[in-house]
Amino acid sequence: EADIYQTPRYLVIGTGKKITLECSQTMGHDKMYWYQQDPGMELHLIHYSYGVNSTEKGDLSSESTVSRIRTEHFPLTLESARPSHTSQYLCASRAGQGYNEQFFGPGTRLTVL
Amino acid sequence: AQKVTQAQTEISVVEKEDVTLDCVYETRDTTYYLFWYKQPPSGELVFLIRRNSFDEQNEISGRYSWNFQKSTSSFNFTITASQVVDSAVYFCALSEMIYNTDKLIFGTGTRLQVFP
Repeated sequence: EADIYQTPRYLVIGTGKKITLECSQTMGHDKMYWYQQDPGMELHLIHYSYGVNSTEKGDLSSESTVSRIRTEHFPLTLESARPSHTSQYLCASRAGQGYNEQFFGPGTRLTVL
Repeated sequence: AQKVTQAQTEISVVEKEDVTLDCVYETRDTTYYLFWYKQPPSGELVFLIRRNSFDEQNEISGRYSWNFQKSTSSFNFTITASQVVDSAVYFCALSEMIYNTDKLIFGTGTRLQVFP
């Protein structure tokens, strides 16, 4: 079982603030993902990475950015948060070979006032 | 295009009832994987099962069972003798491999409520 951590779990901030959502995994997985989840439950892939220095945009356009400087760390940054960014953000990782399952972190619930 | 459909938005049952969650998928790939995840109220997605496109054997794990039928492009999930702790949102997902990238295509989820 993968160990994948996200901090903070809950965040309430004002409009215009810069924030970074942290995601770390201890399993040495090459592939990592960020999803945004609507209140209506649907999951949207916003970023993914296949390894160090690799980042790609997902299916849903997002104003956030990501970086992958270390294998275990995949932070997501919003330069200027807006109320439209209010959502749950889920980080996931998986082993690089084949069609292995993704393991998910506990999520960060972000509210922008 | 790849797509996963979970037509049941919400299901309510009373404890000990059996319940089946439907999942229908579309893909042009001949090799693909299907997954089920559980999302309890705490928010994290918990992996339940992975099934590849060449293995149509049904699987049983305790009270959980899965029925994969390629002929109907379905991968249904049955909970036998449901319990209150089964209350969660359940997602079906398809692993897509296009242009050497891989993504999970999720269905919209089915919210299951089990009442005592």
